[in-house]
Amino acid sequence: KAGVTQTPRYLIKTRGQQVTLSCSPISGHRSVSWYQQTPGQGLQFLFEYFSETQRNKGNFPGRFSGRQFSNSRSEMNVSTLELGDSALYLCASSLEVQAPYEQYFGPGTRLTVT
Amino acid sequence: AQSVSQHNHHVILSEAASLELGCNYSYGGTVNLFWYVQYPGQHLQLLLKYFSGDPLVKGIKGFEAEFIKSKFSFNLRKPSVQWSDTAEYFCAVNGKGGGNKLTFGTGTQLKVEL
Repeated sequence: KAGVTQTPRYLIKTRGQQVTLSCSPISGHRSVSWYQQTPGQGLQFLFEYFSETQRNKGNFPGRFSGRQFSNSRSEMNVSTLELGDSALYLCASSLEVQAPYEQYFGPGTRLTVT
Repeated sequence: AQSVSQHNHHVILSEAASLELGCNYSYGGTVNLFWYVQYPGQHLQLLLKYFSGDPLVKGIKGFEAEFIKSKFSFNLRKPSVQWSDTAEYFCAVNGKGGGNKLTFGTGTQLKVEL
């Protein structure tokens, strides 16, 4: 069974630009969560989508947004990039059959903002 | 707001030594608790989880953790570490009924020397 895939794996953007990251969950998983990982702040929750609806949201500014499609694939968008947005962005999916729901993480997208 | 504290940021052990990594959480409700591991160059993966019942839970690769409710702790243990256990270990918590929003600790970098 294929794992969680994220594209692209690496990205370099300039301050002020916007970026879209993509996540394909494990087949059959309907919950997709996004996390930001930085050396200073560690792993921080961005948002979670379930059946195309945002179910949870972390404490990030409105420049960070996401969506989920009917096939459970998810995208996150960051507008007006800042240097501090440089991070590893992780996507995780969950089957939600029996609690607690195990989340399976993808390899991440390494975003560098210059 | 929920938070997770991992007091050991870097741990260096010799092979066959015993391991205990501390994790304390703060949350105003019932929680699910997790330990994740990130081996060099690999994805985050689940080591073990606690939902309810026996407070001593066993995970993969000989790891176990004990939930002590009165101390708000969920410490990870392994009786005898191997060089292949070199990795970063993350404790995480989410509230029951709160979807898949995980709050992570800052991580503990474990290095096992031969």
